[in-house]
Amino acid sequence: ETGVTQSPTHLIKTRGQQVTLRCSSQSGHNTVSWYQQALGQGPQFIFQYYREEENGRGNFPPRFSGLQFPNYSSELNVNALELDDSALYLCASSLKLGPKDTQYFGPGTRLTVL
Amino acid sequence: GIQVEQSPPDLILQEGANSTLRCNFSDSVNNLQWFHQNPWGQLINLFYIPSGTKQNGRLSATTVATERYSLLYISSSQTTDSGVYFCAGRKGGNMLTFGGGTRLMVKP
Repeated sequence: ETGVTQSPTHLIKTRGQQVTLRCSSQSGHNTVSWYQQALGQGPQFIFQYYREEENGRGNFPPRFSGLQFPNYSSELNVNALELDDSALYLCASSLKLGPKDTQYFGPGTRLTVL
Repeated sequence: GIQVEQSPPDLILQEGANSTLRCNFSDSVNNLQWFHQNPWGQLINLFYIPSGTKQNGRLSATTVATERYSLLYISSSQTTDSGVYFCAGRKGGNMLTFGGGTRLMVKP
């Protein structure tokens, strides 16, 4: 059984650019959630994808968007990067079974915006 | 949404000591998890515990759902226990809300 993987591990971009982060969910899981973790803080929910549809969104602007593919892998896209977007981006996968789903996290992508 | 408060924010222990970490929720939750974040940023699942008590080796957790808090116990701490401990909860919907974390350092 493979765990959650993310790519790339590190990324440096400049303000105004666009970035795409990728996540492969754990085998057997059908739901992917994305979180942003700023330095010294807890992760904050960006959005969740279930069966290729957005299934809940946190307090993030529309320039944060995502996709889920038929194999349940996912992408997070961020347009018009700002300095405050510098953070660790975490992806979590789960098997949606109502409220009792347990989320398993990938190692994260560390994004630096200069 | 719910608010999650963790205490203490920082904790320094000598190897072998015991500790209790606390997590308070502003509202009842139907999903509660504890995580350990290692120095490389990986979040490791410790417990799924919306109510009751669970134990896994030197770690145990208790959630009193009616009083909206959860406790994580670490016994006989080791240097490898160092890192940040997060609790996270959900009340309906799909958004898991995290606390600010407890930063634990275990000294040899």
